[in-house]
Order: sequence, then structure tokens, then C-alpha cells
Amino acid sequence: GNSVTQMEGPVTLSEEAFLTINCTYTATGYPSLFWYVQYPGEGLQLLLKATKADDKGSNKGFEATYRKETTSFHLEKGSVQVSDSAVYFCAFYFGGYNKLIFGAGTRLAVHP
Amino acid sequence: DAGVIQSPRHEVTEMGQEVTLRCKPISGHNSLFWYRQTMMRGLELLIYFNNNVPIDDSGMPEDRFSAKMPNASFSTLKIQPSEPRDSAVYFCATLAGGSTDTQYFGPGTRLTVL
Repeated sequence: GNSVTQMEGPVTLSEEAFLTINCTYTATGYPSLFWYVQYPGEGLQLLLKATKADDKGSNKGFEATYRKETTSFHLEKGSVQVSDSAVYFCAFYFGGYNKLIFGAGTRLAVHP
Repeated sequence: DAGVIQSPRHEVTEMGQEVTLRCKPISGHNSLFWYRQTMMRGLELLIYFNNNVPIDDSGMPEDRFSAKMPNASFSTLKIQPSEPRDSAVYFCATLAGGSTDTQYFGPGTRLTVL
């Protein structure tokens, strides 16, 4: 069935470290892919998206590339900051049913 | 735009009481979603509306839960009677429709049922 598998957290990094959060999906067709971020006590916010194969979404130093051949959409950032501490959700848009299918979320903790 | 507005932000109630959560979507957005987030189950889609009509309520956990969207600018999620296992953060999200596919989330309502 349709699903998203994310790297389990928590991920704990020092400031300025390199970040990768893995995400793979199972879906029919080629859905739009998303990363949402949830800061403590807040709702989810769109971080970036990609709508077709080989597209790269980017925002706030974060990047993710839509890899059709590996059905993946890994999130990366070259140098994390303490303010990046949050929960990150990978998702894809199941257009036929007008739904977002979310992964379980990965908690990132960045310490000084 | 003010974004998606939810109220109340926090609700504490006793088991057996009725709880009503409210959502005001972004103006012009014609799809509305209710989610529940818990540590154990993560983020779950409960129900969604398109043009005020419920399209998929397969995520509603049981008959104690009901949702309405009487007009394009207001939706409610009601739990009656509430139980301690309903304690969670409930999010409302909206989507503009058409060719867009980005959902915008409200700040959530943290519900605690004692």
C-alpha cells in the first residue's frame, strides 16, 4: 500500500554538523513529495517540496532531491544550527484521494 | 492572511464530558483536514472535507467522534463522551485546491482528558 518510511530518531548532532534524514516512499505513480517541520509547541510547516523526478527542493539551507529510481527523498543540510531542533516529517501527496501520506517523523536535537 | 486558526489552544476536561474543537480555514481554501497527533500513533488523518462536504472519514476512531463543516469558514470536531485515550494534539489543515497540493496547518489544540 501507500506509505512513507523515515529514519528513526532521535537524531542528535552538534552545531555545524552535517544532517541527513532518510525517507523512502511506496506509492503508485509519481506523487509530489514534501518535508514538513514541526517546532516545539507548533503545528507543521512546509519546509520544502518537489513535484517531479530529479527536482530539488530547498529552503533555509535544507535540500532534498526527488529520486524516482530509488523512491527516496532524503533531507540534507550542510551545517545545522540549534534552531533547527524540531521534528521533521516526510510526506507525499496522494492526489487521487487528496491526501498527504506522512511518515512517522524524525526528531532532531542540535546542541551547541 | 492570519493562517489557519484553531481554538481553544488548550483544553482540559474530565472523562465523559463533551469536547468541541474549532477551526477557521484560510480564506479561499476549499479542502479542510482534521489530524490527531500522539506519541504512540504519530500523525493520523481523521477526516477531510472538500467544498464543505465530508469526503473521507475512515480515520475517525469511533462514533464518539463527529465533524462538521457548516460553511467555508468554519469547522468543528466534537468528541462525546470524551475518554482519557482521546488526549492528544488535534490539528486542522487546509489546502487551496485546484492544482495546488500544499497543506497549511493550524497551531493545534492540545486536549487532555482526565
